[in-house]
Amino acid sequence: DAGVTQSPTHLIKTRGQQVTLRCSPKSGHDTVSWYQQALGQGPQFIFQYYEEEERQRGNFPDRFSGHQFPNYSSELNVNALLLGDSALYLCASSLGGGAGETQYFGPGTRLLVL
Amino acid sequence: RKEVEQDPGPFNVPEGATVAFNCTYSNSASQSFFWYRQDCRKEPKLLMSVYSSGNEDGRFTAQLNRASQYISLLIRDSKLSDSATYLCVVSRRGDKLIFGTGTRLQVFP
Repeated sequence: DAGVTQSPTHLIKTRGQQVTLRCSPKSGHDTVSWYQQALGQGPQFIFQYYEEEERQRGNFPDRFSGHQFPNYSSELNVNALLLGDSALYLCASSLGGGAGETQYFGPGTRLLVL
Repeated sequence: RKEVEQDPGPFNVPEGATVAFNCTYSNSASQSFFWYRQDCRKEPKLLMSVYSSGNEDGRFTAQLNRASQYISLLIRDSKLSDSATYLCVVSRRGDKLIFGTGTRLQVFP
């Protein structure tokens, strides 16, 4: 039973560039949530996708966008990268829109913006 | 004020000790409560859900006090392998998870 997978594991970009991170949910799950975890902080919710639509959004600017595909996998795109975007980006999967369901996290993508 | 507050620690305890972590949350509409464990440079993993009646899983006991908006985690007979960051998490109607900053535990021999 495959767990949540994310790619790439590490990424180095420069300010102003754009980045795309990918996530495949746990087998049988249809909901994907994205979180940003800065060093020394807890994860912060970015947005959640269910049925290929963004259901909820946290307090992040429009530079952060996403997509969910028919196979439930998801992408997180960040445009015009800032130094402050350096963080661990976590994807979490759950079932049925997430209501009351446990979220399982992938190993994350560590992004460094120089 | 953060929605979920935790003492960041670190808590340095010897093997075999009992250690307790506390957490407070500000939104009374919160409905689901969890403790996640995060090892260094790894993803968070669910340790246990927290219920009003309190719940126990081996050496771990979690308590919820809705009136005080307070959550606790007790670890008995600490092991070296318990060294990690413990994240207090709440959610409303099971949607987005709201994390505290985490409490770091270091168990020494």
